[in-house]
Amino acid sequence: DTAVSQTPKYLVTQMGNDKSIKCEQNLGHDTMYWYKQDSKKFLKIMFSYNNKELIINETVPNRFSPKSPDKAHLNLHINSLELGDSAVYFCASSQEWLAGGKHYEQYFGPGTRLTVT
Amino acid sequence: AQTVTQSQPEMSVQEAETVTLSCTYDTSESDYYLFWYKQPPSRQMILVIRQEAYKQQNATENRFSVNFQKAAKSFSLKISDSQLGDAAMYFCAYRSVSGANSKLTFGKGITLSVRP
Repeated sequence: DTAVSQTPKYLVTQMGNDKSIKCEQNLGHDTMYWYKQDSKKFLKIMFSYNNKELIINETVPNRFSPKSPDKAHLNLHINSLELGDSAVYFCASSQEWLAGGKHYEQYFGPGTRLTVT
Repeated sequence: AQTVTQSQPEMSVQEAETVTLSCTYDTSESDYYLFWYKQPPSRQMILVIRQEAYKQQNATENRFSVNFQKAAKSFSLKISDSQLGDAAMYFCAYRSVSGANSKLTFGKGITLSVRP
């Protein structure tokens, strides 16, 4: 029944390592997002994909590379992890158009807490 | 660029009382959506309520209602009959209607505590 799922929920790793976070949605949505929530709880968009195409790419270091193998999945790969990458990463999805009108709610996954030591 | 401001970092309410959380935003667009999200300690982001800018009527969801003042660019959330489970961080968020700019822009959030 999980709508948007992320794995892993917790990730502890050392500086310099490469890691990936996976996201899957079973809502049939056409658009997926990655948000970062920093230590002060501020949430900011990183990337967005619509039908596997990148449509939003905010100012994010190129060590972060999203990949969308299909419209139900959006993964985030991070190279050469740094201390400042420690945060909670949220995946979200939305359906930009539905028959009968516009629908703009974004549904969030449970978040992945990344700790870089 | 759009900005969202939540100027109160913390608020407290007595159980069963009413509390209002403030939010202002800045945009040059005439059509957009506004949202309030709740984030309890579990960190799950839960949609509380949404408001379409073209609708004059304020949105209501059970004990939650908004006061949307488009000219003043104000979007406050009123929680009636507060419950202990309402304790959480609350985020106000803005998004364009354009599918090409579908990101949510969040305010800094407000921590709501509920006193028994």
